[in-house]
Amino acid sequence: EADIYQTPRYLVIGTGKKITLECSQTMGHDKMYWYQQDPGMELHLIHYSYGVNSTEKGDLSSESTVSRIRTEHFPLTLESARPSHTSQYLCASSESGQALTGYTFGSGTRLTVV
Amino acid sequence: GENVEQHPSTLSVQEGDSAVIKCTYSDSASNYFPWYKQELGKRPQLIIDIRSNVGEKKDQRIAVTLNKTAKHFSLHITETQPEDSAVYFCAASKKSWGKLQFGAGTQVVVTP
Repeated sequence: EADIYQTPRYLVIGTGKKITLECSQTMGHDKMYWYQQDPGMELHLIHYSYGVNSTEKGDLSSESTVSRIRTEHFPLTLESARPSHTSQYLCASSESGQALTGYTFGSGTRLTVV
Repeated sequence: GENVEQHPSTLSVQEGDSAVIKCTYSDSASNYFPWYKQELGKRPQLIIDIRSNVGEKKDQRIAVTLNKTAKHFSLHITETQPEDSAVYFCAASKKSWGKLQFGAGTQVVVTP
């Protein structure tokens, strides 16, 4: 089924660890996005990509990095996790081209740094 | 850049009553306005959207209206049901940009 998938769903790690949150979509979308969201709160854009080898920082400053080597894959990496990184991370994708369309969101990764 | 303001931040309604959420945007070039519903512990899902060449759009119990002159758009939910309880986000974007700018969200609680 065409969708966007995030793994892991939940992650608890210690301070200082390096982690990568995975995001893959099977819809052939060119545009992909990472949002940080505390429960029931605003969606903060931290990174986005308009295609392979294209990445940009979003509105919210983040210590994470992203890569886009393949169209379907947009992983987010934290080199050294801190308790302040505890949050939910949502990946999304959208079509490109002339037609404006909404985003399809993944189910999210809930990260807890202890 | 675009700025989207959403009100109210919380909304409590009796089952069967109507709910209205309002959003304003700053960039007159914005031409696409989707609404997302996020139930507790789930992903945001697109429930309805409207483009700038349309003033109103309905889908069963939900409707969205757009006033381009005043730069605001609203979500209307009629005959609310407990399953309408969720956080609702409005958003805006323009063709040349593509990114959605989200409002801060409205927590809707429908009480039986």
